[in-house]
Amino acid sequence: QKEVEQNSGPLSVPEGAIASLNCTYSDRGSQSFFWYRQYSGKSPELIMSIYSNGDKEDGRFTAQLNKASQYVSLLIRDSQPSDSATYLCAVQTGTASKLTFGTGTRLQVTL
Amino acid sequence: DAGVTQSPTHLIKTRGQQVTLRCSPKSGHDTVSWYQQALGQGPQFIFQYYEEEERQRGNFPDRFSGHQFPNYSSELNVNALLLGDSALYLCASSLVSYQETQYFGPGTRLLVL
Repeated sequence: QKEVEQNSGPLSVPEGAIASLNCTYSDRGSQSFFWYRQYSGKSPELIMSIYSNGDKEDGRFTAQLNKASQYVSLLIRDSQPSDSATYLCAVQTGTASKLTFGTGTRLQVTL
Repeated sequence: DAGVTQSPTHLIKTRGQQVTLRCSPKSGHDTVSWYQQALGQGPQFIFQYYEEEERQRGNFPDRFSGHQFPNYSSELNVNALLLGDSALYLCASSLVSYQETQYFGPGTRLLVL
């Protein structure tokens, strides 16, 4: 079982729709969760961090965390073509700050 | 506010050679982590430096080594390059705390021929 799992996609959504990206993790001791966006050929860019169960909203982005189900998700409202990228879920466990990444989900926002 | 910088941006080497990659952390950050990202994969943790010491290491062979300088900048050295070392090498900086957030530099793309 992979430590952090994501559907590789591509996930295709029309412009203006809600994109829902999901991630599961195996280590119940995980404490910090991050979503990074990565455009092709570029480095990961932090979008959201979440540490407690529930929802956290930032503009068009909402991160959701359910530690009991070991599940974290990212919702993108009013999806734009510029949101087309790979979205990486990253998990941090304990006091060590190593990030463990999933393989990423490729999102395509179509016109 | 200067972000994380890395040099060089691209590098071509041949098998068996050695390479040094450099990273300067974001202003105010004291911790540098290095990751390797192969095509189509998520970044894989190589190691992390804090207070000039290797704080944690991932599952990479001893051919991968690093250093952190008093000004918090860092180097990643890879010896005896293999074709499989071709990847995007990412440096991330953070400020040591309970909930550390890591910010990535632009990366160095290494091609081993």
